[in-house]
Amino acid sequence: GAVVSQHPSWVICKSGTSVKIECRSLDFQATTMFWYRQFPKQSLMLMATSNEGSKATYEQGVEKDKFLINHASLTLSTLTVTSAHPEDSSFYICSARQYRGQQYFGPGTRLTVT
Amino acid sequence: QQQVKQSPQSLIVQKGGISIINCAYENTAFDYFPWYQQFPGKGPALLIAIRPDVSEKKEGRFTISFNKSAKQFSLHIMDSQPGDSATYFCAASTLKQGAQKLVFGQGTRLTINP
Repeated sequence: GAVVSQHPSWVICKSGTSVKIECRSLDFQATTMFWYRQFPKQSLMLMATSNEGSKATYEQGVEKDKFLINHASLTLSTLTVTSAHPEDSSFYICSARQYRGQQYFGPGTRLTVT
Repeated sequence: QQQVKQSPQSLIVQKGGISIINCAYENTAFDYFPWYQQFPGKGPALLIAIRPDVSEKKEGRFTISFNKSAKQFSLHIMDSQPGDSATYFCAASTLKQGAQKLVFGQGTRLTINP
């Protein structure tokens, strides 16, 4: 089956610093990638949708200058949390989708901002 | 109208029993209804999905029942096993939208007692 990886699996950073999370589709080309955020014991909330080579589309209430998304190739998307604060601590999950195919989810990245 | 309401929030079932989780939606444009299984610290994995042109779909011990007129769908796990203990999310999407944005339910934490 299709595999999506995320790196790192967990990261701790200090308040005010930036952190980058990578999402890769390992065995297929993803025309669309999605970034989700999940708080403990809560559902997945879509943050943004990105298509290869174009700007990401952010959901209402998501700060695009704080959560920078780059989808530079058909197998790689990155999420950069800029000037992170403790309230940004969460579980970030990406998913990848071939054209008109199903979404495959990555294993998630646990971000802790101290 | 974009919401998907899921119940119950938590569920405890004895080993060998039937686990039933229900979801309801409002948006009649939804035409793809997947169920995801998520273990702690992991990303969600697709279990089974259904389109509205059928009323039931079965894959192994997992069955989706779909009631288009009531705008409801449910997941049945037959012969529930301790390994099925996880959080389950229903979701809905419109395949006609190229990006296939998923709207997730609130999640059900399922515990199977041995």
